[in-house]
Amino acid sequence: QVQLQESGPGLVKPSEALSLTCTVFRGSISNYYWSWIRQPPGKGLEWIGYVHYTGRTIYDPSLKSRVTISLDTSKNHISLRLNSVTAADTAVYYCAGDLGSSGWFDPWGQGTLVTVSS
Amino acid sequence: QLVLTQSPSASASLGASVKLTCTLSSGHSNSAIAWHQLQPDKGPRYLMTVHSDGRHSKGDGIPDRFSVSSSGAERYLTISTLQSEDEAEYYCQTWGTGTRVFGGGTKLTVL
Repeated sequence: QVQLQESGPGLVKPSEALSLTCTVFRGSISNYYWSWIRQPPGKGLEWIGYVHYTGRTIYDPSLKSRVTISLDTSKNHISLRLNSVTAADTAVYYCAGDLGSSGWFDPWGQGTLVTVSS
Repeated sequence: QLVLTQSPSASASLGASVKLTCTLSSGHSNSAIAWHQLQPDKGPRYLMTVHSDGRHSKGDGIPDRFSVSSSGAERYLTISTLQSEDEAEYYCQTWGTGTRVFGGGTKLTVL
């Protein structure tokens, strides 16, 4: 069964870039849409965007100007880069996969907390 | 616009049942939705998917205490014989071409 694990710095300074990696274990990147999702403290889940295994990307309009999601198929990695962060970007960040037409998220990663603070 | 609406909170007693509701926005009443559970200090877990005609699928290892149903634009998650570990946030989620959408989540308290 495919498993996911997020990794990256837990603390980022305001105005800098947030970079996270999601590693896919026990499976292949192929056939999936890979999303990044976040949950700010005390708030609900927010979809950030996805990358298809072909490399095609779609981002939520509210973050589109600051976000890049990419794949490294040789390493089974899905990456997230969010530029010009502020305190409002403090959240637990999750990666998750879906099969497109069967678009429910399964699997999910465990999540990683990123705090934006000087 | 594809929007999912959930009540912010729900509560029920240990051993009882609870029914959570997710409402699809106008024009999207035929969409399928998925339910996910977010327990404290754990990653989200996919529970079940339900379609407008009631067809459903279940995630690996999800107990039979969890069931889903559908009526019009509403999609339901029923949890029977509530246990303490069911105290969690529950999110509905749907999808379309180029988008994925979450409801606001329901925090379930087991009394």
